[in-house]
Amino acid sequence: DVKVTQSSRYLVKRTGEKVFLECVQDMDHENMFWYRQDPGLGLRLIYFSYDVKMKEKGDIPEGYSVSREKKERFSLILESASTNQTSMYLCASSPEITEAFFGQGTRLTVV
Amino acid sequence: QKEVEQNSGPLSVPEGAIASLNCTYSDRGSQSFFWYRQYSGKSPELIMSIYSNGDKEDGRFTAQLNKASQYVSLLIRDSQPSDSATYLCAVKGSGGYNKLIFGAGTRLAVHP
Repeated sequence: DVKVTQSSRYLVKRTGEKVFLECVQDMDHENMFWYRQDPGLGLRLIYFSYDVKMKEKGDIPEGYSVSREKKERFSLILESASTNQTSMYLCASSPEITEAFFGQGTRLTVV
Repeated sequence: QKEVEQNSGPLSVPEGAIASLNCTYSDRGSQSFFWYRQYSGKSPELIMSIYSNGDKEDGRFTAQLNKASQYVSLLIRDSQPSDSATYLCAVKGSGGYNKLIFGAGTRLAVHP
């Protein structure tokens, strides 16, 4: 079975903190994605990566950066957390053409 | 125009009926199409994938794709209360990067 693991299920951070969300997949997938999900807005793509050290902006990259130093790991970084970044964050991985598999999600609260 | 559009619902159907969920997309070069189900508080899980025009059936689920109309749908036959969830349409775009974009989801409620 494909496994996508996110480092934390729940996280509470203070405004202005630098926050790291980690995601690891065990299926040697080329593509990895970070989404945030808010009520009524669905899944919005923040960043994705199609290879090691390669990244592309999604629809809402402002306030975020990413890192992919190894194929299995994709990190999302909130440079200076703000309350409007309180959300559910979902990581996913996929091969080139076929479906994506999701991690369990990280519910981040910024206070 | 949003890249992937769905009616937010809620779509309410009686138990045993057919639920019909629809999705349109803007990138004419899209190659891969997916339906995910998401229960409240859980991650999305794949129900169906479809890559070519026509119908694809898997148990009670049928996905339909019409690339000319840029339209993909999901039919759920013999709907059960356990099917009550949000259904997300996802599209992998054209080009070399395999960007995966989701619609906002349709909430389905199956009542006994």
